Amino acid sequence: EAQVTQNPRYLITVTGKKLTVTCSQNMNHEYMSWYRQDPGLGLRQIYYSMNVEVTDKGDVPEGYKVSRKEKRNFPLILESPSPNQTSLYFCASSLAGNYGYTFGSGTRLTVV
Amino acid sequence: AQSVTQLDSQVPVFEEAPVELRCNYSSSVSVYLFWYVQYPNQGLQLLLKYLSGSTLVKGINGFEAEFKKSETSFHLTKPSAHMSDAAEYFCVVSDRSGGGADGLTFGKGTHLIIQP
Repeated sequence: EAQVTQNPRYLITVTGKKLTVTCSQNMNHEYMSWYRQDPGLGLRQIYYSMNVEVTDKGDVPEGYKVSRKEKRNFPLILESPSPNQTSLYFCASSLAGNYGYTFGSGTRLTVV
Repeated sequence: AQSVTQLDSQVPVFEEAPVELRCNYSSSVSVYLFWYVQYPNQGLQLLLKYLSGSTLVKGINGFEAEFKKSETSFHLTKPSAHMSDAAEYFCVVSDRSGGGADGLTFGKGTHLIIQP
């Protein structure tokens, strides 16, 4: 089944403890993105990648890192999480922009 | 850069009544336009898209949207609402010149409430 898989689905962590949210797609898509969703703000882009080893900042990149070493994987790294990074995170991928993006099921992160 | 404005944060309608969710966008370049739906506790699903050609596009679940360039609008409609349509709806744009590679810009969402 064609899909974008995120792990974990739920995560509670403490301030400052490094964490990684994994994202993997099995559709051979070149484009991948990370978004965070907050009440009243909709979804905002954190980082995106156009291909292997090609990444760029979105609208809200502060406090996040990404890597794209392989086409299928696009992990989101929080080196030192803070409570304002408590949010619902979505990974998405696309073959090309006019196809639209396929979204993962989301990761609900709570930083205490 | 582009931006999207969804004019209503929530829209209540009665079951079997028509639905209209409004969306306006601004962009200095040509864009692709999408509507996504998010059901409670789920991810986002593509409802429909406008790329080029006919300005009236049909999507899943009986929804359609009309692209009006002069009004920079892309309103979503459905003739008759069902209880199962209750969800959050997002109007989305993507930069056509970049082929959509740099991702999507979302509106803040409209919560569609279906009243029996």
